[in-house]
Amino acid sequence: QQQVKQSPQSLIVQKGGISIINCAYENTAFDYFPWYQQFPGKGPALLIAIRPDVSEKKEGRFTISFNKSAKQFSLHIMDSQPGDSATYFCAASMSGNTPLVFGKGTRLSVIA
Amino acid sequence: SAVISQKPSRDICQRGTSLTIQCQVDSQVTMMFWYRQQPGQSLTLIATANQGSEATYESGFVIDKFPISRPNLTFSTLTVSNMSPEDSSIYLCSAYLDGYTFGSGTRLTVV
Repeated sequence: QQQVKQSPQSLIVQKGGISIINCAYENTAFDYFPWYQQFPGKGPALLIAIRPDVSEKKEGRFTISFNKSAKQFSLHIMDSQPGDSATYFCAASMSGNTPLVFGKGTRLSVIA
Repeated sequence: SAVISQKPSRDICQRGTSLTIQCQVDSQVTMMFWYRQQPGQSLTLIATANQGSEATYESGFVIDKFPISRPNLTFSTLTVSNMSPEDSSIYLCSAYLDGYTFGSGTRLTVV
């Protein structure tokens, strides 16, 4: 059973455009929703995270939108740059002492 | 967040042998988590390691194949035993301290 469903699997965006990646979860006990960025040969790095008490969180060009009733959350990358080309994973967990459950990942390519 | 040092960063091993991966955290953490990332895939949880007790394994992973040690609150090891080419993956450890942190990963190739 896949607890976190991520889409699309791959995404091509023009430089300066908006990249949008979506995730849906099933377990209503999840209370922490991070996004990770991974470059080839590297471990995943935390990009931004949100908890269900807010509907949106913005850090620089990166924004998480959270819809608790729909059990969905999304990552928006504004003014996408070639350096943003990487694989992005959404994840969810119930608490700090429980493991993260990951989506399948989105391979983003930003082209000039 | 905690900082995790993971080693080795990569290794090429012969089938039938074992490799032990080490993770050292710069702070004391209750739980550590071990993941496998097969080529082009997402992270799959292998087990959760709590200091002082036996690790809890996810479906499809067994202790005989992936023994885990957690001798104290800052250290853990994962051993990949009796390796086959199908074990070729990136193995990552993780811990939670004001956020989840990951080691840089061990890229394992079994030949």
